[in-house]
Amino acid sequence: GEDVEQSLFLSVREGDSSVINCTYTDSSSTYLYWYKQEPGAGLQLLTYIFSNMDMKQDQRLTVLLNKKDKHLSLRIADTQTGDSAIYFCAESSGGYNKLIFGAGTRLAVHP
Amino acid sequence: DTEVTQTPKHLVMGMTNKKSLKCEQHMGHRAMYWYKQKAKKPPELMFVYSYEKLSINESVPSRFSPECPNSSLLNLHLHALQPEDSALYLCASSQPGSYEQYFGPGTRLTVT
Repeated sequence: GEDVEQSLFLSVREGDSSVINCTYTDSSSTYLYWYKQEPGAGLQLLTYIFSNMDMKQDQRLTVLLNKKDKHLSLRIADTQTGDSAIYFCAESSGGYNKLIFGAGTRLAVHP
Repeated sequence: DTEVTQTPKHLVMGMTNKKSLKCEQHMGHRAMYWYKQKAKKPPELMFVYSYEKLSINESVPSRFSPECPNSSLLNLHLHALQPEDSALYLCASSQPGSYEQYFGPGTRLTVT
């Protein structure tokens, strides 16, 4: 079946890099995503990676995909207080782009 | 413009009430989605519409009734809800065949 797992909490110092990890089980996943959710808000699509890629970089964000181990990570360089939020990993497959989310990782950035 | 709007922002309703949630997008997307998010949990898919036709219903109870009157608008009609239906209801849209799904800010529903 489909399952996505994430660690629940990460605390980093402002200016450091953050690395949020995710594992998934569905080997037929086509795309893997990172969404950000701030308190009381909807989900913001941060970035996504196609399953035949192993890395994608977008400004401060770097996504690494290890397809063999079904492991996805999101690295945020120079983490700022505005990066404090919940980060959801998600996978999709199939024609209707049904998203399966992990439980979310709460990122806390402290001075 | 990647905006999906949802109204109302907050809704409190009794178990005997009938209410509707509204979602709108003007990005020309032809796939629209309803998700339910309980507190401290990830979003869970409820319904998918593709080209204004219901494509996926994730075994959602009939007290939730979706409607897609046109390509820009998605409604969720609510009737005889239970307190456990209290949650954040999120709408999303995408272009069929595209993998970029954009979410609205959600409607926070409280059933008393």
